[in-house]
Amino acid sequence: AQSVAQPEDQVNVAEGNPLTVKCTYSVSGNPYLFWYVQYPNRGLQFLLKYITGDNLVKGSYGFEAEFNKSQTSFHLKKPSALVSDSALYFCAVRDGNQGGKLIFGQGTELSVKP
Amino acid sequence: GAVVSQHPSWVICKSGTSVKIECRSLDFQATTMFWYRQFPKQSLMLMATSNEGSKATYEQGVEKDKFLINHASLTLSTLTVTSAHPEDSSFYICSARSLTGADGYTFGSGTRLTVV
Repeated sequence: AQSVAQPEDQVNVAEGNPLTVKCTYSVSGNPYLFWYVQYPNRGLQFLLKYITGDNLVKGSYGFEAEFNKSQTSFHLKKPSALVSDSALYFCAVRDGNQGGKLIFGQGTELSVKP
Repeated sequence: GAVVSQHPSWVICKSGTSVKIECRSLDFQATTMFWYRQFPKQSLMLMATSNEGSKATYEQGVEKDKFLINHASLTLSTLTVTSAHPEDSSFYICSARSLTGADGYTFGSGTRLTVV
């Protein structure tokens, strides 16, 4: 079965510092991986996805993610964090065998302090 | 870009009543709609998957008679919480996938349901 894991419930960084939000995956076949961000009482906003191609994927709001097949990871990164980046981040994998539903990690709360 | 309009954004209802949540795809055809439930600061739990014109597929443990899903057109899907109880209070989110797929999923803004 497809799954993703976000090992950190919370990540704290200072504004201006680089940030990393971790995600590892377990899939059979080629992984279709996604990152989403959620602000309080709102739906999910798409950040980026990996389907195929370059391992470094660039997305919205200056975020990027690196697909690492050998480590089965898809960590989200940003070179310089902003206070406004503080939110809940979800990694997800598409389940190709179940109608294309997304399977989400447990989420990581990012807190960026001034 | 693709937009999914979800209404209402919040609703308070009395125990025993029913509540309908609508999700409309505004500028694309949503052949598949996913309905999620989310508890505070937790992940999204998939409740059901619906395809236009056919019955929804419910995840294990989700009561199909309590959470009625209708996907009668390519632009509208509804979730009705029947005979609501306080334990049904939660944040409900829909997500639409288009005919072309394009591996894109567009999420509604969510509905905060409080049952009193």
